[in-house]
Amino acid sequence: EVQLVESGGGLIQPGGSLRLSCVASGFTVSRSHMSWVRQAPGKGLEWVSVIYSGGITYYADSVRGRFSISRDNSKNTVFFQMNSLRAEDTAVYFCARGQGVSGSSAFDYWGQGTLVTVSS
Amino acid sequence: EIVMTQSPATLSVSPGERATLSCRASQSVSNNLAWYQQKPGQAPRLLIYGASTRATGIPPRFSGSGSGTEFTLTISSLQSEDFAVYYCQQYNKWPPYTFGQGTKLEIK
Repeated sequence: EVQLVESGGGLIQPGGSLRLSCVASGFTVSRSHMSWVRQAPGKGLEWVSVIYSGGITYYADSVRGRFSISRDNSKNTVFFQMNSLRAEDTAVYFCARGQGVSGSSAFDYWGQGTLVTVSS
Repeated sequence: EIVMTQSPATLSVSPGERATLSCRASQSVSNNLAWYQQKPGQAPRLLIYGASTRATGIPPRFSGSGSGTEFTLTISSLQSEDFAVYYCQQYNKWPPYTFGQGTKLEIK
């Protein structure tokens, strides 16, 4: 059974850092493309980052230069390092799996999300 | 960046009736279009991919159509569990992968 479990969210002051984790089971993250998608309170979905099976990474303009996606193949885990956090980064962060080997794939499995609140 | 626009923002429909949700892309996305359902406090769930293919376990009352820039999600006979927010997403030209702003389907 495919499962994604996020952790690492919490309350952090503006300018601070957090690292989110997404532990995968039932498949191998290094053979998939994995994205982080966020949802601000009461708002819609916003894609923020992806790491492809080959290791290439991309970011939304809103987080580029501040956030970094990576993975640990031995732990079958994807990480999301968030630095220089701003109030507008407050959101539930979901990790999601691309359903195919190509980047042109829908997201077929999602974690339950972890809440990041940036506030003083 | 491809902008996805959904309409209407809110749709009020009675149980047992048909619901039709629309999604428009600012440029062609071929058939690289997905629909997701999200209930309060839950993660999104993939309903439709490739514009018209139901994901695993999705009942046949959900159907998707369209290609290019105009897409439709139809729910043929609404059940109580179908009232939720629905998002379309394009994955034809990325990054970024882009979502519509959502349509809230509420009970009339």
